[in-house]
Amino acid sequence: DTGVSQNPRHKITKRGQNVTFRCDPISEHNRLYWYRQTLGQGPEFLTYFQNEAQLEKSRLLSDRFSAERPKGSFSTLEIQRTEQGDSAMYLCASSFRGLDGYTFGSGTRLTVV
Amino acid sequence: AQKVTQAQTEISVVEKEDVTLDCVYETRDTTYYLFWYKQPPSGELVFLIRRNSFDEQNEISGRYSWNFQKSTSSFNFTITASQVVDSAVYFCALSGPVGVSGNTGKLIFGQGTTLQVKP
Repeated sequence: DTGVSQNPRHKITKRGQNVTFRCDPISEHNRLYWYRQTLGQGPEFLTYFQNEAQLEKSRLLSDRFSAERPKGSFSTLEIQRTEQGDSAMYLCASSFRGLDGYTFGSGTRLTVV
Repeated sequence: AQKVTQAQTEISVVEKEDVTLDCVYETRDTTYYLFWYKQPPSGELVFLIRRNSFDEQNEISGRYSWNFQKSTSSFNFTITASQVVDSAVYFCALSGPVGVSGNTGKLIFGQGTTLQVKP
């Protein structure tokens, strides 16, 4: 287990379609975070899981967004009825009890056309 | 509210020059953590350093050094003798004390500084 894995790396979708991204954290990491990064900006927090429990959601996470982490392992982020404004890099990060640095995945770049 | 400001949007230097990236933060927490990440063109965020609020010692790691000053709420990053491979976007980030008062440890990022090192 060499790091945080995110799939797919790139996704192009038509406006109005649903998309789902997957994040596989480092196996012993119980904390998992999703961030969104638009061009020229720093990553912005979306949501946080501790094990399987979703403990914090940003106001950026509209009703069209949903995230899960069944069994406290991998996590999925789904966007329903995508809009052009959803085009961004979606980053996943994990950590072990927050005691160390956060390890980020390579991200999923979403383009909504 | 927590906030991180990186006032320098872009910096361009010639190889072997020293360069300092500025970071100013705001927080009401007495315990907090500061980070620097590097984002090369490939997009992955690479962890560089984590510093807690009680440790004001400056740190040096090879050509990298960090200057943490609580009095000015700054956590600046200096690259000595810059190299072309240092070209990337650099982010400063802040998090609160994990597990205290419901703090989840989420990172608050600055807008980033794009560093271009020319040969």
